[in-house]
Amino acid sequence: SQQGEEDPQALSIQEGENATMNCSYKTSINNLQWYRQNSGRGLVHLILIRSNEREKHSGRLRVTLDTSKKSSSLLITASRAADTASYFCATANDYKLSFGAGTTVTVRA
Amino acid sequence: GAGVSQSPRYKVAKRGQDVALRCDPISGHVSLFWYQQALGQGPEFLTYFQNEAQLDKSGLPSDRFFAERPEGSVSTLKIQRTQQEDSAVYLCASSPGPNNEQFFGPGTRLTVL
Repeated sequence: SQQGEEDPQALSIQEGENATMNCSYKTSINNLQWYRQNSGRGLVHLILIRSNEREKHSGRLRVTLDTSKKSSSLLITASRAADTASYFCATANDYKLSFGAGTTVTVRA
Repeated sequence: GAGVSQSPRYKVAKRGQDVALRCDPISGHVSLFWYQQALGQGPEFLTYFQNEAQLDKSGLPSDRFFAERPEGSVSTLKIQRTQQEDSAVYLCASSPGPNNEQFFGPGTRLTVL
């Protein structure tokens, strides 16, 4: 069963715009991780945010975590065509990752 | 250095055949994970190894699924008497430790006819 749930399921934006996707989960976590998957490829790790952290940045990516609401968001700023992919949040309690069904992002040139 | 590699990348099996999927983790990574990803879904946890010890196999769908990591490096996921519902992408991931980020291989796409 999948704990994380991403919203929206799909997102289409113009190059240069920002993309925001959300993740909600049900149980307590040690950390939450965001991954990207290009069509037919493996998952690429983007950011890990621990349960005692509220915000983290990496390049054009910003992740927030609100443990009281059991939710996280991923913001991609100034999107590029190469950002077209599926994005997954994964909650970690101990070693096991539980993934959501993902948000499919399409960036139009 | 080299990332996680998996072989074969694609496997077509007839129903009832046995298959073996291989994972080469990043050198020195203690933790190794197998996931199953159905079309349009996120990966689902199958099993976890710490070195050669299989600490969690709670996600294996049935006793037809078996995984091993005998020397604490390369791992093999074996599926006996494959069924159509076994068709999926099987992903392997490794990490330096259990609570670190996981590095994924490209996956093996299994199609059971």
